[in-house]
Amino acid sequence: GENVEQHPSTLSVQEGDSAVIKCTYSDSASNYFPWYKQELGKGPQLIIDIRSNVGEKKDQRIAVTLNKTAKHFSLHITETQPEDSAVYFCAASIAGRNNDMRFGAGTRLTVKP
Amino acid sequence: EPEVTQTPSHQVTQMGQEVILRCVPISNHLYFYWYRQILGQKVEFLVSFYNNEISEKSEIFDDQFSVERPDGSNFTLKIRSTKLEDSAMYFCASSEGGAGLAGEYFGPGTRLTVT
Repeated sequence: GENVEQHPSTLSVQEGDSAVIKCTYSDSASNYFPWYKQELGKGPQLIIDIRSNVGEKKDQRIAVTLNKTAKHFSLHITETQPEDSAVYFCAASIAGRNNDMRFGAGTRLTVKP
Repeated sequence: EPEVTQTPSHQVTQMGQEVILRCVPISNHLYFYWYRQILGQKVEFLVSFYNNEISEKSEIFDDQFSVERPDGSNFTLKIRSTKLEDSAMYFCASSEGGAGLAGEYFGPGTRLTVT
């Protein structure tokens, strides 16, 4: 089955700097890679996702890149703001099959003002 | 903005008791899910539900678990006889499309503590 590893477990950056979180996956059949942001006391919120037919996707200050050959994908946040502070989870699955979805362990991002 | 709601936010129960966790998905969504997160561990998929039946379930979702959509708005997770290891945060989610086809919206979670 799929196994997702996420690094780093904690990340601290200064406001305005960029943050990068990396995930690797094991199942080459995985083709859907969502990223979630979880703020304190709330459930995970989908912030961006990428499918395997795309190498990069961007939404304002957030971008995700996917390297299918190396089986890794990354979340990039530019111009970080204190409100970006949260736990971020990556996940990998085969579209249409929730049972195969595996989450990373999470990265606690702290943006210092 | 529409959101998924869950009640209660925290449920404490004794081992062997039955619990029902409740969720109200976003009204125009057709797919519903339960996930759990044991403290310090990864989020794990439990079950997905579509068209009034389970579409997928994980190994965790054994005979002690059941889901129901008793009316047009609620989606519930029942644990028949709770065990200590059921203590976790349980998240409900809903989406317009199926897995990987449309974004899933998560509720705030119910913290279940089994003593």
